[in-house]
Amino acid sequence: AQSVTQLGSHVSVSEGALVLLRCNYSSSVPPYLFWYVQYPNQGLQLLLKYTTGATLVKGINGFEAEFKKSETSFHLTKPSAHMSDAAEYFCAVSEGRSSASKIIFGSGTRLSIRP
Amino acid sequence: NAGVTQTPKFQVLKTGQSMTLQCAQDMNHEYMSWYRQDPGMGLRLIHYSVGAGITDQGEVPNGYNVSRSTTEDFPLRLLSAAPSQTSVYFCASSGDRDYGYTFGSGTRLTVV
Repeated sequence: AQSVTQLGSHVSVSEGALVLLRCNYSSSVPPYLFWYVQYPNQGLQLLLKYTTGATLVKGINGFEAEFKKSETSFHLTKPSAHMSDAAEYFCAVSEGRSSASKIIFGSGTRLSIRP
Repeated sequence: NAGVTQTPKFQVLKTGQSMTLQCAQDMNHEYMSWYRQDPGMGLRLIHYSVGAGITDQGEVPNGYNVSRSTTEDFPLRLLSAAPSQTSVYFCASSGDRDYGYTFGSGTRLTVV
């Protein structure tokens, strides 16, 4: 079964600084990979996804992630943090390669932005 | 607005009571699932369905039942509520050519 590890339950950066949220998955077969964002008291919103093709994926709000098969990683980055980026971020991986595959979530990383 | 609708948004139950959390989507998505979210544990899959009439268990199914009589609806039933079921519950759906879920806004359940 797939598993997802998010390194760091809480990350704090200054406004304008680089955001880096780390995610590693367990499968040796390239899975489908996702990042979701959750703002306080809301549901999860898809930030970006990797299925096939280009390994650098761009998402909403200036975020991007790079699929690195050799490192089994899918880290999320943003060049310059905004106060509005403060939220919880979840990395997720599909157990298969169809739209009906179960999606397994990491435990989440809470991102705080310092003024 | 199209999307996933969950009701109620908040609920307090006494231990031993039963209730049903409702989930409906209007996007004609085949795949629906229920997750619970607890602090520090991310989202854990309770039950899922790949189409009307088909359901299966996820990671933490005990104490919950589901059914999928229509494509649109996927209710989650708590048979006899326990304090360990205090959590935030999310319903999600996925379409045929759309990888990744659309989530509802959640139901915050407290069992006392």
